[in-house]
Amino acid sequence: AQKVTQAQTEISVVEKEDVTLDCVYETRDTTYYLFWYKQPPSGELVFLIRRNSFDEQNEISGRYSWNFQKSTSSFNFTITASQVVDSAVYFCALSERVRTDKLIFGTGTRLQVFP
Amino acid sequence: DGGITQSPKYLFRKEGQNVTLSCEQNLNHDAMYWYRQDPGQGLRLIYYSQIVNDFQKGDIAEGYSVSREKKESFPLTVTSAQKNPTAFYLCASSINANSYNEQFFGPGTRLTVL
Repeated sequence: AQKVTQAQTEISVVEKEDVTLDCVYETRDTTYYLFWYKQPPSGELVFLIRRNSFDEQNEISGRYSWNFQKSTSSFNFTITASQVVDSAVYFCALSERVRTDKLIFGTGTRLQVFP
Repeated sequence: DGGITQSPKYLFRKEGQNVTLSCEQNLNHDAMYWYRQDPGQGLRLIYYSQIVNDFQKGDIAEGYSVSREKKESFPLTVTSAQKNPTAFYLCASSINANSYNEQFFGPGTRLTVL
């Protein structure tokens, strides 16, 4: 069965600290896609990144970086030098090639960055 | 500006009443989705539509209905049969229903049943 687990319900850090949000997934498909979305207090989900199962290269985008490891079924997200504007709920999600009708979301991690 | 609009932002309903949530997109996307979000939970799929005049049930379709008469519009009706309708409802769209496409989300409607 497909499943996405975000074990960290809430994380609090002080500005400029680095923080890693964990995501572990389960799937039987060999081709799948992983996503991260950010949900700021306004409520609208914002797409951050997509990664397919054949591309294990880590990705960096400014202060954001993602570490994809198929061996541990993880797709972790790190924010370097966190800022108050990073405060949001972050969702990891899984989409399988054979099931084009569903995006499986984790329960989200609420990140609070204090000044 | 291209995007997804949802209205109203806040909606109050009395028990036993049906209510319709609006979702419009001008991104020319074929696929549209409705999700429900409850506190501390991820998003759960209610209904989705891959193309005009077609839609399928998601994981929690009971007590909800949809229509897709136009490409731009995908309204969701919360009926009196929905036992616990108080939640945050998010509409999304994607270019098509292929699994690699990211979904774009609207700002959401917070429904409260009084």
